[in-house]
Amino acid sequence: DAGITQSPRHKVTETGTPVTLRCHQTENHRYMYWYRQDPGHGLRLIHYSYGVKDTDKGEVSDGYSVSRSKTEDFLLTLESATSSQTSVYFCAISEGTPGRVSNQPQHFGDGTRLSIL
Amino acid sequence: DAKTTQPPSMDCAEGRAANLPCNHSTISGNEYVYWYRQIHSQGPQYIIHGLKNNETNEMASLIITEDRKSSTLILPHATLRDTAVYYCIVRVAGGGSNYKLTFGKGTLLTVNP
Repeated sequence: DAGITQSPRHKVTETGTPVTLRCHQTENHRYMYWYRQDPGHGLRLIHYSYGVKDTDKGEVSDGYSVSRSKTEDFLLTLESATSSQTSVYFCAISEGTPGRVSNQPQHFGDGTRLSIL
Repeated sequence: DAKTTQPPSMDCAEGRAANLPCNHSTISGNEYVYWYRQIHSQGPQYIIHGLKNNETNEMASLIITEDRKSSTLILPHATLRDTAVYYCIVRVAGGGSNYKLTFGKGTLLTVNP
């Protein structure tokens, strides 16, 4: 299995509080992604990173920010959590080389179950 | 990315081969076929992918028709632990937002004792 660790695995917090989820990889892969999974919506991409300090928005980025200061860590922050952000969050990683097209698959972590009351 | 069509559910007897079909009739020449599965409460697990040739790994085989409009994932000897939702995804190779994986509803495979 790909070396991906998500923390925390479960979190319950209140509306308006800041929340940070961490994704740590030991594979030295270039690309990292954050998805959320909700019933009826499947997985939706929040943000992704294509290198240290290089990030971009996905399809549901409002209310979320990310940072990647090291190859191995990708942080997802909810600045002021809302109940609509209650979800299961998955981190994924994939290989890639700058300037080259890659068909390498994404590998997922075990997820963080976040409940916002 | 091309859309895919999968049956909502399938059953398979333990020890028998499970053949999961996927239709992707609008696939483009540069799009790959990826298969993932998700066991309840776990993250999606990559199984296999291919472009136009049949592929086999330690988990499964992928058969892609010559016209590439459909494919079949084969689990040669299904076990109870293979019970999961299986997703067929068609995607171009490349970086940036093209790396987004779009998961449809998938096929719930139930392996029975």
